[in-house]
Amino acid sequence: DTEVTQTPKHLVMGMTNKKSLKCEQHMGHRAMYWYKQKAKKPPELMFVYSYEKLSINESVPSRFSPECPNSSLLNLHLHALQPEDSALYLCASSQDLRGNTEAFFGQGTRLTVV
Amino acid sequence: DAKTTQPNSMESNEEEPVHLPCNHSTISGTDYIHWYRQLPSQGPEYVIHGLTSNVNNRMASLAIAEDRKSSTLILHRATLRDAAVYYCILRVTTSGTYKYIFGTGTRLKVLA
Repeated sequence: DTEVTQTPKHLVMGMTNKKSLKCEQHMGHRAMYWYKQKAKKPPELMFVYSYEKLSINESVPSRFSPECPNSSLLNLHLHALQPEDSALYLCASSQDLRGNTEAFFGQGTRLTVV
Repeated sequence: DAKTTQPNSMESNEEEPVHLPCNHSTISGTDYIHWYRQLPSQGPEYVIHGLTSNVNNRMASLAIAEDRKSSTLILHRATLRDAAVYYCILRVTTSGTYKYIFGTGTRLKVLA
């Protein structure tokens, strides 16, 4: 199984809602990532988890709250988002944090904030 | 962080080789060069990576300049299914942790 599964595939939420994005992998990878991708732009790194601990936060606003409950799961909790937060949110995983391994990406969650 | 620059778009005829360039003049010695591609409505897909030496796999070849300030992804025979956005990425070291920094990407169009 070389898949990273993201749910839901699509999400529409109001600015006062609280929602969560989920990401799951069963490859035994110990590094997991959240990226944000706006239309026709490259993915931008948001967070990196290593061995279930937050390693990197790229100055992401606190309305985005990541969580890694175990080595297979990564969540992104959303609260009080703005319309400009509408984007494709991508999850990725890699074997560990060594660069000589590839990262596997999920299909993404397309988020629309209304 | 080091960054990469790529042409916005390129075209190729089907069954012909394609050379996709990438400049990374601020790369540091421990940064790996990765290439991924992204099809519409999909997540990025790994293509190839390297550090200093040229690399080959079943999908493509990666040619890395001797000074490592540039690299070229080579698709030996482009097919219609190779039409995608190709990203040149640096794996950057930061405080003992690593992150993948995407370049702006090259949109490859393959003509039948």
